[in-house]
Parts: sequence; C-alpha cells; structure tokens
Amino acid sequence: KAGVTQTPRYLIKTRGQQVTLSCSPISGHRSVSWYQQTPGQGLQFLFEYFSETQRNKGNFPGRFSGRQFSNSRSEMNVSTLELGDSALYLCASSLAGQGSFNGYTFGSGTRLTVV
Amino acid sequence: DQQVKQNSPSLSVQEGRISILNCDYTNSMFDYFLWYKKYPAEGPTFLISISSIKDKNEDGRFTVFLNKSAKHLSLHIVPSQPGDSAVYFCAAREYTGGFKTIFGAGTRLFVKA
Repeated sequence: KAGVTQTPRYLIKTRGQQVTLSCSPISGHRSVSWYQQTPGQGLQFLFEYFSETQRNKGNFPGRFSGRQFSNSRSEMNVSTLELGDSALYLCASSLAGQGSFNGYTFGSGTRLTVV
Repeated sequence: DQQVKQNSPSLSVQEGRISILNCDYTNSMFDYFLWYKKYPAEGPTFLISISSIKDKNEDGRFTVFLNKSAKHLSLHIVPSQPGDSAVYFCAAREYTGGFKTIFGAGTRLFVKA
C-alpha cells in the first residue's frame, strides 16, 4: 500500500513568488490535512480537507490556501512568499469519521526555502 | 494560544531505563490524544493513541497515560533503546465541524547506550 506522497521534496523560491505543493493521500483516505513545521514551533495546523471541502482552517494568513480534488489529492498554495514561510510543509491523510482514531499518516514533507 | 504544551524541549535517558515524556493541554473538548515520533528528514510516524474516555493504553514498550482532571498526558517507554532517539510530538484532536489535530512543540529524546 503506497504511503502519502508529497512533491516536490525540496523547493527554493524568491520572496514575492508563489508556490504550489502537492499531496497524494493513501488510497481510500478522504481526509487530508496540511501542517507547517518550523524549529521550536512544532507542527502548526494549516487546514483540513474532506471530499473536496475545506472543513477546518488554522490561524494562517489568506496567502495560504489549498484545495482537494475528486480523487482526494490535495494541493496547497502560498502566494507572495515571505522569508518566514521557510519551513517543512507536511501533508497527512486519514480515514476520517471512524469511531476509533489511529492518527494520521504523514508524508515526508516538502522543504521550502524562501530567499 | 498553545492548547497542547510540551514543556521539556529535550530529555536524556540511559539505555534500558524508563523514558517519560509529558504533555499538558487546555481544551477539555479534545476526544483523542496521540503521540508521534519523528526522525530528521521524515514525516512524523504515529506511535500510540488514547481516547478521552480511557486513562491508559499500552502497546509493547509504549504506554500512554491520560489524567483528565489534570489535563495531563504522558508517554512511558520501557525499556528505552538507542533507536528510540527522536523527536516526540504530543497531539490532541478536536471536532469543530471538521477534525483538527493540534500538536505540541515536541520533545527531543536522547537514549544513551
């Protein structure tokens, strides 16, 4: 069973540019969540998608957006990049709605560096 | 506003001894609590979870304890092994129209041989 796949693994962008990151969840998983990880800050929740609908959003500015497609694949977009956006962006999928919850399966992340 | 807090940024333990990682939370609406382990350059890996209606869950060398009155969660690793050296994240899930899992800042565990 393939895991969660994130592309690209590494990305270098210039301030002011925009970037799109991609995530393919585990087959059958309909819930996809995005997190930003920076040193000392842990994982900060960005948003969660289920069946192409954004169900929940974290405290990030509107420059951060996302979407989910009918095959559950998800993309997140960051516009007008700032130096502080440099981070590891993690995507996680799960079988949402089950009574018991065994957590998310994370991808390896996309390391974004803004210069 | 940190709803999930891991106050120890690092912990060092001798191989074979017990590792205890702690986590505090503020939101009484969390329904599941989880622990993840993360190695450098990899995504976090799910370790163990506990429902808010339980106070203990055990899986091999890993046991999670939940004290709801104190809003405190702990992970015990017995015996600790050098391969357990990683960053451990405590997380808690809430439902607010959609699921949201909130993570602590992580504790780096060093297990010395």
